[in-house]
Amino acid sequence: DAGVTQSPTHLIKTRGQQVTLRCSPKSGHDTVSWYQQALGQGPQFIFQYYEEEERQRGNFPDRFSGHQFPNYSSELNVNALLLGDSALYLCASSSRRDNEKLFFGSGTQLSVL
Amino acid sequence: GIQVEQSPPDLILQEGANSTLRCNFSDSVNNLQWFHQNPWGQLINLFYIPSGTKQNGRLSATTVATERYSLLYISSSQTTDSGVYFCAVLLPSGTYKYIFGTGTRLKVLA
Repeated sequence: DAGVTQSPTHLIKTRGQQVTLRCSPKSGHDTVSWYQQALGQGPQFIFQYYEEEERQRGNFPDRFSGHQFPNYSSELNVNALLLGDSALYLCASSSRRDNEKLFFGSGTQLSVL
Repeated sequence: GIQVEQSPPDLILQEGANSTLRCNFSDSVNNLQWFHQNPWGQLINLFYIPSGTKQNGRLSATTVATERYSLLYISSSQTTDSGVYFCAVLLPSGTYKYIFGTGTRLKVLA
């Protein structure tokens, strides 16, 4: 049973660039959530995708956008990168059939220079 | 909005010791999960426990939803238990985002 997979594991970008992070959910899950975790803090909710639509969004600017594909995999896009976007980006999958329990991938460490 | 606070913020134990981590939340919740974040950043599911008590090996958890708290017990701690422990709560219907607590950073010394 494949767990949640994320790619890439590490990424270095410069200010102003754009980045795309990818996530494949756990087998049997249809919902993908993205979280940002700054150093020393807990994960913060960015948004959730269900049925290929953004179902809920946290307090993040429009520079953060996403997509969900018919196979339930998802992408997180961040435009016009700022130094403050440096963080661990975590993808979590869930399903109503699984009581909305979150299962996380190993994350993408993004450094913006 | 809901506040989710964990205590203690930091904990240092000698290998073999027992500990209790606490998660307080300020409003009613639908779901509650405990996670362990290892030194490599991976968030590992420990318990899904919106109410009641569960045990898994050396770990157990109790949630008293009516009093808005949850406890995570670690017995006979091992160095591999080191890391950060988070509780995360899901509010009642109408929202899909889990709110994470402030975390407890645990270090187990050999």
